[in-house]
Amino acid sequence: AQSVTQLGSHVSVSEGALVLLRCNYSSSVPPYLFWYVQYPNQGLQLLLKYTSAATLVKGINGFEAEFKKSETSFHLTKPSAHMSDAAEYFCAVSESGTGGFKTIFGAGTRLFVKA
Amino acid sequence: EAGVAQSPRYKIIEKRQSVAFWCNPISGHATLYWYQQILGQGPKLLIQFQNNGVVDDSQLPKDRFSAERLKGVDSTLKIQPAKLEDSAVYLCASSLPGQGIVELFFGEGSRLTVL
Repeated sequence: AQSVTQLGSHVSVSEGALVLLRCNYSSSVPPYLFWYVQYPNQGLQLLLKYTSAATLVKGINGFEAEFKKSETSFHLTKPSAHMSDAAEYFCAVSESGTGGFKTIFGAGTRLFVKA
Repeated sequence: EAGVAQSPRYKIIEKRQSVAFWCNPISGHATLYWYQQILGQGPKLLIQFQNNGVVDDSQLPKDRFSAERLKGVDSTLKIQPAKLEDSAVYLCASSLPGQGIVELFFGEGSRLTVL
């Protein structure tokens, strides 16, 4: 079974600083990878997805992620953090199973942004 | 476009009682998912429907959890009897059918507290 591992349950940055959230995946075949964001008391929403068309994927709100096969990583970055970026971020992988694909989520990383 | 609707948003019950959660997916989305999100963890897939058929319920505790999707639209998730460890947010999501690179659209979740 495929899985994703998010390094660091909490990350704290200052406003304007670089955001780096780490995700490593385990897959024997080219994976389908995603980053979702969850704001307090809300459901998850898609930030970006890796479709194998390009290794650098741009998402909403200035976030981007780079797929590195040699490192089995799909880290999420943003050049300059904003207070509104404070949320929980989930890396996810799509796995083929009986009846179709299912999405498996990592444990999440909570991002704190300090003024 | 209306999003995924869930109710109730919050529910507090005592252990051994029963509870039901309702989900209305985005119109036209054939695939519906129920995820369980325990505090501090990523969402865990409980059951996945394609139209009104179950395609994956491998992680659903079938001795106490049940779910149905009549007519391929709305869905209900029931827990009977509830245990303390069932305290979690129950997220409903929907998507168009696809091969791996599908975006999940989530509702705001139903937060269950079992006392």
